[in-house]
Amino acid sequence: NAGVTQTPKFQVLKTGQSMTLQCAQDMNHNSMYWYRQDPGMGLRLIYYSASEGTTDKGEVPNGYNVSRLNKREFSLRLESAAPSQTSVYFCASSSLDGVYQPQHFGDGTRLSIL
Amino acid sequence: ELKVEQNPLFLSMQEGKNYTIYCNYSTTSDRLYWYRQDPGKSLESLFVLLSNGAVKQEGRLMASLDTKARLSTLHITAAVHDLSATYFCAVDLREYGNKLVFGAGTILRVKS
Repeated sequence: NAGVTQTPKFQVLKTGQSMTLQCAQDMNHNSMYWYRQDPGMGLRLIYYSASEGTTDKGEVPNGYNVSRLNKREFSLRLESAAPSQTSVYFCASSSLDGVYQPQHFGDGTRLSIL
Repeated sequence: ELKVEQNPLFLSMQEGKNYTIYCNYSTTSDRLYWYRQDPGKSLESLFVLLSNGAVKQEGRLMASLDTKARLSTLHITAAVHDLSATYFCAVDLREYGNKLVFGAGTILRVKS
């Protein structure tokens, strides 16, 4: 039972490079989320997708784009990486079937931008 | 804008002692979640509190929710070293479904 799978687990980029963080869930959840975690700031929502085919901005969307490829997959793209985007990125998923369940998180992607 | 404040942000306690972590939030919500994170790891769900007066207990941890005071507490009873971790509360924005706003987290260190 994989749950939420994120790839890669670690990445080092140079300023200006682009990359895509991948996320897939196998729990048949409707909603998926991307967060970043910085020391002392908890998790902040970057983008979310309430259902397949929809995406919306969260608290800190600038510098990022997302794609909800299908029900299972939700990717996060950095078009031109900046040092301020050095962070740990978590993908999460949840079901919105009327019973409020906690979000399930992946193991994170540790991203350093030099 | 919803703000979620946790205190304390850092807690060092001796094994066997009791303590409470507080989570205050700034707008109406009746859904609150507690998560645990071990260093370098993902977040693990501890409790889901879905109504005013809700109380949940698991082992040495007990969480409660007072929606009128906009306050949730996580009480630790007779702490043990294995409880050392970072604890987050997260509040559900009602009008946006299951979109969460997290507190900054409380780093708990239990000394043996």
